[in-house]
Amino acid sequence: EAAVTQSPRNKVAVTGGKVTLSCNQTNNHNNMYWYRQDTGHGLRLIHYSYGAGSTEKGDIPDGYKASRPSQENFSLILELATPSQTSVYFCASGDSDTIYEQYFGPGTRLTVL
Amino acid sequence: GDSVTQTEGQVALSEEDFLTIHCNYSASGYPALFWYVQYPGEGPQFLFRASRDKEKGSSRGFEATYDKGTTSFHLRKASVQESDSAVYYCALVSSNMGYKLTFGTGTSLLVDP
Repeated sequence: EAAVTQSPRNKVAVTGGKVTLSCNQTNNHNNMYWYRQDTGHGLRLIHYSYGAGSTEKGDIPDGYKASRPSQENFSLILELATPSQTSVYFCASGDSDTIYEQYFGPGTRLTVL
Repeated sequence: GDSVTQTEGQVALSEEDFLTIHCNYSASGYPALFWYVQYPGEGPQFLFRASRDKEKGSSRGFEATYDKGTTSFHLRKASVQESDSAVYYCALVSSNMGYKLTFGTGTSLLVDP
């Protein structure tokens, strides 16, 4: 069974603070993705990675950085968090073998005060 | 760039009603099309896909047919149940866009018992 886990599940941060969201996958997939989900916008891609050491900008990368230190782990970093980054963040993994069907984690609810 | 349009933001039905959720896409090349479902408190999960014109995808009683002529992939179910209440996302993957998923804004389905 495909497995993607995220931590923390809930986070409250202060404006200007640094936030790191973590994602781990045991699917051995090459590709990993970070999305944010907002009402009226659906799921929007922030950053993605094709493998360890690689990160690519998605559709809305401003204000976010990503890190892929290993096949299993993919982090999303908010260096200076702002209230506009309050959202639910989802990590996903996928591979060409599954015709790019993506497996999602349970999400992290981030509130920036 | 590629885009997916879901015209219904919310759909309210009674059990055993027929469901249609409309999905239209705009993409260069020949995209693969997907439906994902998201239950409350969970991440989206893959429902089914179709990769070529006239191909029908189906799962759990839901189905959709890839129509390149009308650039559509409408989701249908003959008889909905209360347990089908969820948010449904149409999505596409295009090789011209680096094999990234592009999601629609989602349709929230509420089924009354």
